[in-house]
Amino acid sequence: QVQLVQSGAEVKKPGASVKVSCKASGYTLTGYYLHWVRQAPGQGLESVGWINPNSGATKYSPKFEGRVTMTRDTSISTAYMELNSLRSDDTAVYYCARDYRRVMDTIMTFDYWGQGTLVTVSS
Amino acid sequence: ETVLTQSPVTLSLSPGERVTLSCRTSQSVSSYIAWYQQKPGQAPRLLIYDAVNRATGIPARFSGSGSGTDFTLTISSLEPEDFAIYYCQQRSDWPLTFGGGTKVEIK
Repeated sequence: QVQLVQSGAEVKKPGASVKVSCKASGYTLTGYYLHWVRQAPGQGLESVGWINPNSGATKYSPKFEGRVTMTRDTSISTAYMELNSLRSDDTAVYYCARDYRRVMDTIMTFDYWGQGTLVTVSS
Repeated sequence: ETVLTQSPVTLSLSPGERVTLSCRTSQSVSSYIAWYQQKPGQAPRLLIYDAVNRATGIPARFSGSGSGTDFTLTISSLEPEDFAIYYCQQRSDWPLTFGGGTKVEIK
């Protein structure tokens, strides 16, 4: 069965960086786009960006451009999202989510989700 | 950026009732709307993609309609497990954006 397992909760100080991992199992990581979505406490959902694990191509939401980097290590079926220059309003649960369709037919819609990683930014 | 406005913010209903949730977009998104359900402490669950298509394993009581700027998610008869928050999401342009959500609560 398809599973996305994310790394554990993080507490960071303002200005620091955080790197969240997302390990895929039950399917081939390179077969589907991998998206990152965040949710601030009690708030709605916000797209951060995506990575094509096959090519390594990425696209980031303009809000995060310059602060976020998405990478992958296909040898261990794991994707990563690193967010720099953290601020208090980056406090959120960060989810990785698989695209509903395969890489060649992506529809930017998310079916399988990780369990979420809470990132808390506090001095 | 395409803004998605969901209404109402909260709905108080009883099991067995029919539910209609609205999602309006600030510009046309063709049929590129998805709907998700989220329960407390859980990740969202895909219900509908491209406005009208049920995702794998989603019960037939969930249906979607609309195109352009006005979209609807209908639950034909509420089950106890359907009380949750529902979000719409557009994929017509970048960045991908979500609506603010509609909470369906037990009356």
